Amino acid sequence: QQQVKQSPQSLIVQKGGISIINCAYENTAFDYFPWYQQFPGKGPALLIAIRPDVSEKKEGRFTISFNKSAKQFSLHIMDSQPGDSATYFCAGPDRDDKIIFGKGTRLHILP
Amino acid sequence: NAGVTQTPKFQVLKTGQSMTLQCAQDMNHEYMSWYRQDPGMGLRLIHYSVGAGITDQGEVPNGYNVSRSTTEDFPLRLLSAAPSQTSVYFCASSYSPRDEQYFGPGTRLTVT
Repeated sequence: QQQVKQSPQSLIVQKGGISIINCAYENTAFDYFPWYQQFPGKGPALLIAIRPDVSEKKEGRFTISFNKSAKQFSLHIMDSQPGDSATYFCAGPDRDDKIIFGKGTRLHILP
Repeated sequence: NAGVTQTPKFQVLKTGQSMTLQCAQDMNHEYMSWYRQDPGMGLRLIHYSVGAGITDQGEVPNGYNVSRSTTEDFPLRLLSAAPSQTSVYFCASSYSPRDEQYFGPGTRLTVT
C-alpha cells in the first residue's frame, strides 16, 4: 500500500528554469508535509516543510504548496541551479506515527 | 553537537552472519527510526521508536530487531544476514514525527 505517491521519478530542467515535483498522499491523518533533499553519498536533509494551516510557504527559491482538498503538496524550485541537482523526497506521518516517504525524484539541472 | 552518528560506514557480511548497526544522537530526541534505501525504492521504514523502552515495526521489519534502552541509542540488529539485506541504512531522529528528521551519514551494507 503506497500511502505517498511522488512524481515524476526523474526530472531534467534547464538552468534558470522552474522545477516542480508533486506528492499525493492518501492518509488524511497527515498533518506535516516536508520535502527532503539528498545528495549522493549523504543522508537526506530537510529542505522545507509546511503544516496544513497554511497553503503555501516560501524560503528563498523554494516554495511548497499544499492543497488539502486534493490531498497533494508540491515543491517548486525557481531559477533552478546545477547545485540543486539531487534526489528529493516528500514524506508524511501516519496515524501510528510512522513516517512514510515517497520513492524520490532525481532532479538534474542542465548547466 | 555531533548530531546523528552511525557506525560502521561500510560493512561486508557473509550470508547467515549477524551484526549490529549502531546509531546515536545527542540532541535529546525522543523519536528515532531506521530506514533502508534501495535504488528506485526510496526510503523504507524498518523500525521506529517514540521514546526509550518503546519500539514498533515499520514497513519492512522482517530480519531486523531493535531496542531502545536509552534516549540516545537505537541499534539495529541483523539476525541472520541475507543478500536481500544489501542496502544503505539510515538512522534518523527528531523531537516527534511531525518535526524535522535529522539523518545520519548512513551505513552501506553488502551481504554476499
